[in-house]
Amino acid sequence: DQQVKQNSPSLSVQEGRISILNCDYTNSMFDYFLWYKKYPAEGPTFLISISSIKDKNEDGRFTVFLNKSAKHLSLHIVPSQPGDSAVYFCAASDGGSQGNLIFGKGTKLSVKP
Amino acid sequence: ETGVTQTPRHLVMGMTNKKSLKCEQHLGHNAMYWYKQSAKKPLELMFVYSLEERVENNSVPSRFSPECPNSSHLFLHLHTLQPEDSALYLCASSQGGGQGAIGYTFGSGTRLTVV
Repeated sequence: DQQVKQNSPSLSVQEGRISILNCDYTNSMFDYFLWYKKYPAEGPTFLISISSIKDKNEDGRFTVFLNKSAKHLSLHIVPSQPGDSAVYFCAASDGGSQGNLIFGKGTKLSVKP
Repeated sequence: ETGVTQTPRHLVMGMTNKKSLKCEQHLGHNAMYWYKQSAKKPLELMFVYSLEERVENNSVPSRFSPECPNSSHLFLHLHTLQPEDSALYLCASSQGGGQGAIGYTFGSGTRLTVV
């Protein structure tokens, strides 16, 4: 059973508009959440994270929202740019000394000019 | 070289071959990981090494054998693989510790095809 779910395999957005990528999780022990961005032929790169003690974290055009009661988080990108086109992975950690990450399947975002 | 480097970038091997994937990190991290990315599946954690000791093995078949000779190098030895093992194998490193894997850095991956 998947502990981290990204139910939308793809998303298409017009340049300048908002992109909203969603992620759900099942394990209430997760205490740290991250978003990674992956371009073709490259490894995932860290984008933004949020601790379970917060409900929002903002970094420039990227904002992550966490709703613990719903076990749901979302990544907002505004305004979206063509260079944002990539696969976005949601990941969660249950902390501990190693902080192993559990990933979702990813959502492919296409931002059209 | 900086970051996490994986070689080779692409590998095609027969089911009876033996090959190794190599990962090297120059970040001074103390934990290294192997992940597998198959089509339409999440990134799957395979192995975790912390301070050169294996701390996790997520029920990976024995045809995959990891080796971590020092904190900068990680290998994945492959033998008698199956076609369903074809995937992108990603190496990552982190400083570990506490609140999630902050500073997780991935390599570009090795695209493995088993024929």
